[in-house]
Amino acid sequence: EAGVTQFPSHSVIEKGQTVTLRCDPISGHDNLYWYRRVMGKEIKFLLHFVKESKQDESGMPNNRFLAERTGGTYSTLKVQPAELEDSGVYFCASRETGVPDTQYFGPGTRLTVL
Amino acid sequence: DAKTTQPTSMDCAEGRAANLPCNHSTISGNEYVYWYRQIHSQGPQYIIHGLKNNETNEMASLIITEDRKSSTLILPHATLRDTAVYYCIVRPSPYNTDKLIFGTGTRLQVFP
Repeated sequence: EAGVTQFPSHSVIEKGQTVTLRCDPISGHDNLYWYRRVMGKEIKFLLHFVKESKQDESGMPNNRFLAERTGGTYSTLKVQPAELEDSGVYFCASRETGVPDTQYFGPGTRLTVL
Repeated sequence: DAKTTQPTSMDCAEGRAANLPCNHSTISGNEYVYWYRQIHSQGPQYIIHGLKNNETNEMASLIITEDRKSSTLILPHATLRDTAVYYCIVRPSPYNTDKLIFGTGTRLQVFP
């Protein structure tokens, strides 16, 4: 069974540009999470989807970040316009509701804003 | 969620046991202790969890004190691949789907 996949693995963009990150959760997982780790800081929660609905978006830093999960399958996280402080590694995780389990993480997307 | 305290860093010789402590003195009766790790350039990885009994799986053992205010993650025979940041997280039931709250963790360096 495939794990959580993220695309791209790396992205380098200029300040002011737009970047879209994609996450494909494990098949059948209705919960999808975004986290990020900026340089030297802790891993921080951004957002939690249950199917296509936003369950918790308390970690989204500002309105330059837009997350979607149309159809309740894969999710995208768009940063527009990107700022220098957005650089970091963005992780996606997924899990299934109703079973005693944990979150499974993808390998992350390393975003560098120049 | 209860707060946890971990040492910033630890070293361990390859082949020896790595014992990583965690304090969670404000843990409530129905909260579990979870351990995750993040190996460089990978996403966080679940290791083990427990409520009050000691637990063991293929990756590690978890020892929780009787008062549940602290725990120790044991990697019985550390390898270089175990070099990572280890996070101790207190959470509700394994059925709970809320976000994970990562602290600063313990950076474990396994040396040859």
